[in-house]
Amino acid sequence: DIVMTQSPLSLPVTPGEPASISCRSSQTLLHSNGNDYLNWYLQRPGQSPQLLIYLGSIRASGVPDRFSGSGSGIDFTLRISRVEAEDIGVYYCMQALQIPYAFGQGTTLEI
Amino acid sequence: QVQLQESGPGLVRPSETLSLTCTVSGGSISSDIYYWAWIRQPPGKGLEWVGNVFYSGSTDYSPSLMSRVSILVDTSKNQFSLRLNRVTAADTAVYFCARWLRGYNRNCFDSWGQGTLVTVSS
Repeated sequence: DIVMTQSPLSLPVTPGEPASISCRSSQTLLHSNGNDYLNWYLQRPGQSPQLLIYLGSIRASGVPDRFSGSGSGIDFTLRISRVEAEDIGVYYCMQALQIPYAFGQGTTLEI
Repeated sequence: QVQLQESGPGLVRPSETLSLTCTVSGGSISSDIYYWAWIRQPPGKGLEWVGNVFYSGSTDYSPSLMSRVSILVDTSKNQFSLRLNRVTAADTAVYFCARWLRGYNRNCFDSWGQGTLVTVSS
């Protein structure tokens, strides 16, 4: 099974400043079709997770462009160019390449 | 816009069966571009994928739960359901239903229910 590891697990941030979260997979998420099957989700306090990024770098519908995803293979990064108060919550990466799907431990973004 | 809503008992006794239903509105569960999934989150912890079902009834399950779990689909009611047998306190969690958008250029949970807390306790 693929194991996902995120860092840091807690990230204090200042509004207006950038933030970055790393995610590493125990196996490559790069498919032979050229796609990296890595998703990012945000779970705001008391809410269900929402999709931010799929295929490593494609923003989901309605996601602000201050969010960006990058990386390939086993190393991925989620960047927020300028953190806003509404961005607080727990960020999860998830491998979507093979079953069983697996999430990282989560990174708590706190202001 | 599709909406998913979980329903079921909030308290289950140890060794009994957890049963939840997810009602899908605003879209058909019989679409061939989606799977329908259960994901759980123990209090204060991370997310764990439980399993998927396709409208045809075919399923995939987490290996760690496979011996105790079943997911069924009822296309006539636009619902799918989760059954988890022989529960213990470790099964206490918020259970989310979600929609999996399949395809070589997708593969993501693109819509989630609000979640329902199930507590296993006598």
